[in-house]
Amino acid sequence: GAGVSQSPSNKVTEKGKDVELRCDPISGHTALYWYRQSLGQGLEFLIYFQGNSAPDKSGLPSDRFSAERTGGSVSTLTIQRTQQEDSAVYLCASSRKGSTGSSYNEQFFGPGTRLTVL
Amino acid sequence: KNEVEQSPQNLTAQEGEFITINCSYSVGISALHWLQQHPGGGIVSLFMLSSGKKKHGRLIATINIQEKHSSLHITASHPRDSAVYICAVNGETSGSRLTFGEGTQLTVNP
Repeated sequence: GAGVSQSPSNKVTEKGKDVELRCDPISGHTALYWYRQSLGQGLEFLIYFQGNSAPDKSGLPSDRFSAERTGGSVSTLTIQRTQQEDSAVYLCASSRKGSTGSSYNEQFFGPGTRLTVL
Repeated sequence: KNEVEQSPQNLTAQEGEFITINCSYSVGISALHWLQQHPGGGIVSLFMLSSGKKKHGRLIATINIQEKHSSLHITASHPRDSAVYICAVNGETSGSRLTFGEGTQLTVNP
């Protein structure tokens, strides 16, 4: 079956512009995650959606970042007024479910969107 | 100090060697993940474990909850194993969000 897909694969934008990054999770996966990997840095959690619950936004670095998930499937990460420090690879992952007690699920990662802010 | 520490940061081996990558963490966890990231960026989940040991092909992952330590072993290493290996944990109080180590860059030479 199809894996997690992300678009675009590459995005170059000018400082101050807004960008939207899209994630299509694996069909039937109720949990969706956004991560960021800056050049030479480790992975960093941004936001997590689980079903119809309120998202965990605790990893978003500033109020310029927002994300939504429509219909429990596709998610869009929006960065407003981009800055050069926003340049990174943005990764999306999905899993069959999020945390339920002590039960966790393997996360399947998309190929990422490489964002370059000039 | 990061909540998840990996060692070594870089590792070079000859084909056929037995490889060990270590991960230590400082928080209570519900699960630990080992991920593989190839050049080009794609990330693949190798293991998810909360106790004991798991094996898949030439890869073995172990975890010691009391010592807050996990190891990833690769037997009979091959150049195609060259990648970044990342340890990540589900903290007991952080739900499904993963906290990542910095990764270990493995290069296996023929």
